Amino acid sequence: EVQLVQSGAEVKKPGESLKISCKGSGYSFTSYWIGWVRQMPGKGLEWMGIIYPGDSDIRYSPSFQGQVTISADKSISTAYLQWSSLKASDTAIYYCARPGAGMATSEGVFAFDIWGQGTMVTISS
Amino acid sequence: QSALTQPASVSGSPGQSITISCIGTSSDVGSYNLVSWYQQHPGKAPKLMIFEGNKRPSGISNRFSGSKSGNTASLTISGLQAEDEADYYCCSYAGSSSLVFGGGTKLTVL
Repeated sequence: EVQLVQSGAEVKKPGESLKISCKGSGYSFTSYWIGWVRQMPGKGLEWMGIIYPGDSDIRYSPSFQGQVTISADKSISTAYLQWSSLKASDTAIYYCARPGAGMATSEGVFAFDIWGQGTMVTISS
Repeated sequence: QSALTQPASVSGSPGQSITISCIGTSSDVGSYNLVSWYQQHPGKAPKLMIFEGNKRPSGISNRFSGSKSGNTASLTISGLQAEDEADYYCCSYAGSSSLVFGGGTKLTVL
């Protein structure tokens, strides 16, 4: 079974750093893009960026460029989303997601078929 | 990139059909046949319902269909069922490897 399993909920203070993870299983991790999507409390979905673990090609949404870092460790089939200095406005659920067959090219992803369960990140002083 | 525009809410009775619109621009919806639709129940991860405008992933009911005209994409749900009550989001490829989501529509089954 193809699965994305995300790390657990986090509670942090403003200014702290954080790295959350998304582990893929049941498929060739290096052959599919992985994307990150933010959902702020009571709000809609926002595309943050994607990474191709095979060669670590990364594309960021202009809205998130410089605000977060996307990475992957293909040796353990895990993608990451990290912050160096958290803000209260980073409070949200973060989903990782993978396109299905035919839903991506070398240029990027067109749709996400497999989703992680989400990681709730709470930033509060 | 601005978010795609969706109605905040729609409603329908069981058995009826409803349509959710998704208005974009000539830079996203209008330029690509790459609109996807997601269903999200409270507290759950989104679920892909439609991709490439009108294709259904395996296991998705044919009660769900997608279409596009100009800069507007639409999701139609026919034979409305109680379990269809959820939030629905459209998403379009917008060039330069980017995606843009709509603001979401809450579907209420009366």
